[in-house]
Amino acid sequence: EAGVVQSPRYKIIEKKQPVAFWCNPISGHNTLYWYLQNLGQGPELLIRYENEEAVDDSQLPKDRFSAERLKGVDSTLKIQPAELGDSAVHLCASSSNLASNEQFFGPGTRLTVL
Amino acid sequence: AQTVTQSQPEMSVQEAETVTLSCTYDTSESNYYLFWYKQPPSRQMILVIRQEAYKQQNATENRFSVNFQKAAKSFSLKISDSQLGDTAMYFCAFMGPYGNKLVFGAGTILRVKS
Repeated sequence: EAGVVQSPRYKIIEKKQPVAFWCNPISGHNTLYWYLQNLGQGPELLIRYENEEAVDDSQLPKDRFSAERLKGVDSTLKIQPAELGDSAVHLCASSSNLASNEQFFGPGTRLTVL
Repeated sequence: AQTVTQSQPEMSVQEAETVTLSCTYDTSESNYYLFWYKQPPSRQMILVIRQEAYKQQNATENRFSVNFQKAAKSFSLKISDSQLGDTAMYFCAFMGPYGNKLVFGAGTILRVKS
């Protein structure tokens, strides 16, 4: 079984540029999460999807971050414009249903903003 | 809001020895879930072990076991017969009764030395 796939793995951009990250969850997983992991810290939830609906986006900085999960499968997280403080690892995770509790993580996208 | 505290930023252990990683948390919930995740260098996060708060028996997975003290809100991870492949960042995480999101601690870097 394929795991959670994320691309790109690494991205370097200049500040004020836009950037997008893509996530393909494990097949059949209806719940998808985007987490932000700053250097030396634990991940923090940005947004959670149940199928195509964003059910928890309270921690998403909506002035510059946006996300979508069209058709309830793949998801894209976008930052526009990027700031120096956005340098971090963006993690995607998925789970099959809330009762299982286990979240499966992708390898992450390491963003560097210059 | 729930918080998770890992007071040991770094730990070292000799190969084949036993090491214990500490974790405390704060919550007003009576039912919840606790996790230990492992994040090897430049690799994706994987679940090590899970504990349901309503279960008194401590969870065990091969060389990994937990000491769950609900009253003290403590959840430590014991790794027996440490192996070089155990070198990683270890995160303690909390999930509330509705299984909506993981709240992570800051992590403990574990280095296993030969």
